[in-house]
Amino acid sequence: GAVVSQHPSRVICKSGTSVKIECRSLDFQATTMFWYRQFPKQSLMLMATSNEGSKATYEQGVEKDKFLINHASLTLSTLTVTSAHPEDSSFYICSASNTASGYNEQFFGPGTRLTVL
Amino acid sequence: AQSVSQHNHHVILSEAASLELGCNYSYGGTVNLFWYVQYPGQHLQLLLKYFSGDPLVKGIKGFEAEFIKSKFSFNLRKPSVQWSDTAEYFCAVNARGGSQGNLIFGKGTKLSVKP
Repeated sequence: GAVVSQHPSRVICKSGTSVKIECRSLDFQATTMFWYRQFPKQSLMLMATSNEGSKATYEQGVEKDKFLINHASLTLSTLTVTSAHPEDSSFYICSASNTASGYNEQFFGPGTRLTVL
Repeated sequence: AQSVSQHNHHVILSEAASLELGCNYSYGGTVNLFWYVQYPGQHLQLLLKYFSGDPLVKGIKGFEAEFIKSKFSFNLRKPSVQWSDTAEYFCAVNARGGSQGNLIFGKGTKLSVKP
């Protein structure tokens, strides 16, 4: 149980285009989903937190107009990188939790490798 | 602000050696503590977690961790490592009762086990 999937696993795009990454909880309802960014040889940095049906909360320094997050259902959240630039190239990881269950445990997706040319 | 520090960036061990990875956190309140593992090319997996109760927590694959509140530490241990334990290990913390359950991660420790 508690499986989280991400799609696509890898994407290469041209500078200036937008890329959408999907995060799905496959066997549980994710009241909260988190989006992280991981640079090579570094730790995961939280970008934003989204609760189903409400606006995402962004961490300091993360541009909300550049990284659009939608959490329209209890099983799906999307991250759209708008007008991507080479510096946006990174590994994006989502996680999901069912905070309504009383646990603050997150289940992680496999990540999406974004390369912006 | 909460922070998590992992003392070792890269640890190299031979098979059957004992392992201890350090993790310290800074936060004045009550916390939940986690260790995650990321095998090469794979996603993060939960090794073990501490919410309350016995401070010595046993996880999967023979790992355990001990929460020492007075030292703000949650070190990961394994008595005898295997080559298959080669991976990156992340310690993480979130504040108990936090509205969002945000996890703060340490920078990770890469473990290389020589066969």
